[in-house]
Amino acid sequence: RKEVEQDPGPFNVPEGATVAFNCTYSNSASQSFFWYRQDCRKEPKLLMSVYSSGNEDGRFTAQLNRASQYISLLIRDSKLSDSATYLCVVNQAGTALIFGKGTTLSVSS
Amino acid sequence: DVKVTQSSRYLVKRTGEKVFLECVQDMDHENMFWYRQDPGLGLRLIYFSYDVKMKEKGDIPEGYSVSREKKERFSLILESASTNQTSMYLCATLGIERGSNQPQHFGDGTRLSIL
Repeated sequence: RKEVEQDPGPFNVPEGATVAFNCTYSNSASQSFFWYRQDCRKEPKLLMSVYSSGNEDGRFTAQLNRASQYISLLIRDSKLSDSATYLCVVNQAGTALIFGKGTTLSVSS
Repeated sequence: DVKVTQSSRYLVKRTGEKVFLECVQDMDHENMFWYRQDPGLGLRLIYFSYDVKMKEKGDIPEGYSVSREKKERFSLILESASTNQTSMYLCATLGIERGSNQPQHFGDGTRLSIL
């Protein structure tokens, strides 16, 4: 089983739509969780950390379910500028971050 | 803001050449990483370092070596470049702070082409 798995997509949605991405991780000892955004031909940039209680940043909501080893990202009211690849990232203490292969989102007008 | 600087955005080298990719960070972070990113394969860890002169192999270290002589600088070396090392190379850093999630900070990336 791969360590961090994501549906690669692409997810093609109209502006204003709500879209959700899911991610599962295999190592129950994982301690830190993040969503990164990567635009075409650019480096990954941190979108948001994911906390056990769930957290929200504007239109973005992240959830963590440790029992199911599952992370989600919800984007409300999608904008054209949200088009990108979203990377699920997991960290076990003392080791490097482990990246999923990413989910591609395309928002159209 | 953390700044991670990679020496080149684009680089073209020939098969068999020794290639150096440099990465410098200005935030005194202990951990530094080299990844490569290829279509359909995502980010793959080549090597990482958690301290000066310390290095650990990642998932795909073959054909690469690294050097960390100073805390702020982490170099990736392709001993004898081959065409299958054509890729986007990304350097990242990670600070240590107790009790809080730590994201990585990435450089802009180096697009390396081996001809």
